Amino acid sequence: SQQGEEDPQALSIQEGENATMNCSYKTSINNLQWYRQNSGRGLVHLILIRSNEREKHSGRLRVTLDTSKKSSSLLITASRAADTASYFCATVPTTSGTYKYIFGTGTRLKVLA
Amino acid sequence: DAGITQSPRHKVTETGTPVTLRCHQTENHRYMYWYRQDPGHGLRLIHYSYGVKDTDKGEVSDGYSVSRSKTEDFLLTLESATSSQTSVYFCAISESGLRSGELFFGEGSRLTVL
Repeated sequence: SQQGEEDPQALSIQEGENATMNCSYKTSINNLQWYRQNSGRGLVHLILIRSNEREKHSGRLRVTLDTSKKSSSLLITASRAADTASYFCATVPTTSGTYKYIFGTGTRLKVLA
Repeated sequence: DAGITQSPRHKVTETGTPVTLRCHQTENHRYMYWYRQDPGHGLRLIHYSYGVKDTDKGEVSDGYSVSRSKTEDFLLTLESATSSQTSVYFCAISESGLRSGELFFGEGSRLTVL
C-alpha cells in the first residue's frame, strides 16, 4: 500500500492564487520530499524536509511537516501557469531500514491563466 | 540535468515476450531505482540497487528481475511480459541514498503489452 496519500487529487486555481496540497503518511520517516512532474516527463525534486524540521522554504515553495499527525503540506504562492503539473510527496520510512522511497498518488494542479 | 538515459523510450510488445529496459547514468551515483507509474497508483517501487551486483526488491517486484553489473547501468527485465505490466517505467538515481534524499529521474519508458 502507498505510504503517502496526497490531498486533493486534483486542484484548479487562477494564476496568482496560492495552491496548497497535503500529504499524509503512515509510519515514522527519515525525511519527506516533494516532487513535480510535468506531463509526459520524469519527476523533478523540489524540496526535502527532515523529520526534525517543521517548516522549510524554497523560493515560492513552503513546506511544513507535522510528525505527530504524520502529514505535510506544500504551499505554492503566487502560482503561475508554468506550475501546472502533478505533485508527489515521497517518504523513506524508518522501518524500511534501507533506501526505499515511497511515493504517494499525487495531486494534479492546473493553474489557469 | 542529471545524466540519466532510459532506453527504449517507447516499446510495444506481445504477451509472453521478454523485455529489457535499460537505465544508463553518467553521474557515478551509487543508488539506482526502477519505478512504474500507473493511473491511480502513483509511483511504485519495483527494484532498487545500492551498489554493483547489490539489488533488492520493492513493493511490486513480482514478474520483474534486475541486474547491475557496472555502476552506470541498471537493467530491468520482464521475463514474460503480461498486459498488467503495461505502464510507464521510470529509472531514478541517488548519490547518497536516504541520507541526502534527492532522487533524479529519467524521462521514462512507455511499455505497452498487447
